[in-house]
Amino acid sequence: GNSVTQMEGPVTLSEEAFLTINCTYTATGYPSLFWYVQYPGEGLQLLLKATKADDKGSNKGFEATYRKETTSFHLEKGSVQVSDSAVYFCALYLTGTASKLTFGTGTRLQVTL
Amino acid sequence: DSGVTQTPKHLITATGQRVTLRCSPRSGDLSVYWYQQSLDQGLQFLIQYYNGEERAKGNILERFSAQQFPDLHSELNLSSLELGDSALYFCASSDLAGGRETQYFGPGTRLLVL
Repeated sequence: GNSVTQMEGPVTLSEEAFLTINCTYTATGYPSLFWYVQYPGEGLQLLLKATKADDKGSNKGFEATYRKETTSFHLEKGSVQVSDSAVYFCALYLTGTASKLTFGTGTRLQVTL
Repeated sequence: DSGVTQTPKHLITATGQRVTLRCSPRSGDLSVYWYQQSLDQGLQFLIQYYNGEERAKGNILERFSAQQFPDLHSELNLSSLELGDSALYFCASSDLAGGRETQYFGPGTRLLVL
């Protein structure tokens, strides 16, 4: 079946550090890939997405490139801020399946001063 | 603000009881999705409705049911509640039945079963 694997958290970084959160997927077909972010006490917000191989999604300084050859969609940011502290979820969506997003387990990011 | 609203924000109830969670999608969105987020299971898709019709079913228990009304709001009914049903329940909406559209999430309803 389809699945998403994310790196275990929590990830603790100092402000202005470089962030990478790894995400790999297994899917029968060519999924769309998403990163969602959940701030404390809030719902999920779409951070970025990519719908085909080699696409790069970007938003608020975050980037992720859809790599079909490595089935990966790693999230990166060059310089994190305290306000980026949240839980980040990688997800895939495959047309023709039960119209559902399949989520990874989430990675908690804590950024300190 | 995603434009998706959910009520109530918090719900505390006892085992064996029944509760109803409500979701209003973004204006113009025809699809509503329900997800459950728990510590042990993570984020799991429960069910999807499109324009009033059930479209897809995920890991939804038989004790749970949902519907989407003509005004497109949706309700998730949870009955014979068990301690393990304690979780955050999210509703999401999108404007298409399927495909690669973005889903917009509400703030969630936190259910605690005592």
